[in-house]
Amino acid sequence: GAGVSQTPSNKVTEKGKYVELRCDPISGHTALYWYRQSLGQGPEFLIYFQGTGAADDSGLPNDRFFAVRPEGSVSTLKIQRTERGDSAVYLCASSPGPSYNEQFFGPGTRLTVL
Amino acid sequence: AQSVTQLGSHVSVSEGALVLLRCNYSSSVPPYLFWYVQYPNQGLQLLLKYTSAATLVKGINGFEAEFKKSETSFHLTKPSAHMSDAAEYFCAVRPASSASKIIFGSGTRLSIRP
Repeated sequence: GAGVSQTPSNKVTEKGKYVELRCDPISGHTALYWYRQSLGQGPEFLIYFQGTGAADDSGLPNDRFFAVRPEGSVSTLKIQRTERGDSAVYLCASSPGPSYNEQFFGPGTRLTVL
Repeated sequence: AQSVTQLGSHVSVSEGALVLLRCNYSSSVPPYLFWYVQYPNQGLQLLLKYTSAATLVKGINGFEAEFKKSETSFHLTKPSAHMSDAAEYFCAVRPASSASKIIFGSGTRLSIRP
């Protein structure tokens, strides 16, 4: 079956611009996670959705970052006033439910802020 | 709180030699433990996971890991390295009791010498 998909695969933007990154989880998965992977580092947690609500947003670095999941399926990560330090690969993962022990990762969106 | 330490940011072995990638974890509650592999410009792929069943876990591509509670370790091994094993490997932890984020180590880059 289809895995987690993320669009775009690559995004280049200028400092100060607004960007949206999209994640389509595996069908039927109620839990959705966003991570950020900077060059040479492991992924770092950003936010976790259970259904439509953000159950844990403790990893969002500041108020320029926001994510939504209005219908409990597709999620969008939004970054305002981008900075060069936001350049990273943004990973999305989903799982069938909150008690499931594994998360399934998408291929990521590589964001480059010039 | 949970944390992961991967000893050695870069490991190089000869083709056919033993692969040993070290991982130590810290967790105040029973953990789930994971090893992920990331090939260049690709997403994260689950190699294996420990979820409180057998302490010796076998994964894909001939890899295995042993959960040692007394040593708080979850080292990854493969008896005989293949050129195709060259990749970045991430150890990760999350609490078994909740649907929380995965905490990743900083990764170990595995190189295989012909």
